[in-house]
Amino acid sequence: EVQLVESGGGLTQPGRSLTLSCSASGFTFGDYAMSWFRRAPGKGLEWIGFIRSKVYGGTTQYAASVKGRLTVSRDDSKSIAYLMINSLKTADTAVYFCARGQPGFASSWYQYWGQGTVVTVSS
Amino acid sequence: SYVLTQSPSASVAPGQTATITCGGSNIGSQSVHWYQQKSGQAPVLVVYDDIARPSGIPERFSGSNSGNTATLTITRVEAEDEADYFCQVRDSTGDVVFGGGTKLAVL
Repeated sequence: EVQLVESGGGLTQPGRSLTLSCSASGFTFGDYAMSWFRRAPGKGLEWIGFIRSKVYGGTTQYAASVKGRLTVSRDDSKSIAYLMINSLKTADTAVYFCARGQPGFASSWYQYWGQGTVVTVSS
Repeated sequence: SYVLTQSPSASVAPGQTATITCGGSNIGSQSVHWYQQKSGQAPVLVVYDDIARPSGIPERFSGSNSGNTATLTITRVEAEDEADYFCQVRDSTGDVVFGGGTKLAVL
């Protein structure tokens, strides 16, 4: 059974950095790109970035809205994907989800999601 | 970037049919995917590649896509179908794009 578990959320202050983790099990982690999404209060779902598998260079792609402040990385030996957010803003307050798509260069759709971790940015 | 447009809200009586649309320029040439998200829960994929249904998703959920509009149809609506619904595509740059979401109320 595919399982994704996010952790690392919490209350933090504007300007700080935060790293979220997504621990995976039930599949060969290294074969898949891993994506991150968020949903802010009163807003819709937003894709923020993904990292491809090592077969495709482990390259990353980010949404324009967060580019420059986000870093997605992965540790295939631990089956964990990471999301680091720098220079946090109050607008980054959201539930953050990781998700797994299909194997290959790019996923089209996402069937497996974690339960989400809440990030609150407030002074 | 590519823009997907959804009506913010829709309402339907139990047992009736709900139709949720997703507009985009020539969206019929793209693969559209639909997610259901209930309050406090993770999104659930209900339709992918326009018309396919993941295992475990009731046959009441179906999709179509043509021209400038993709549609998610839910027949014989139940109270448990009350949720936010999002359409999604992958645009030409590889970015993942969502519509703004439609809040479905079951009256």
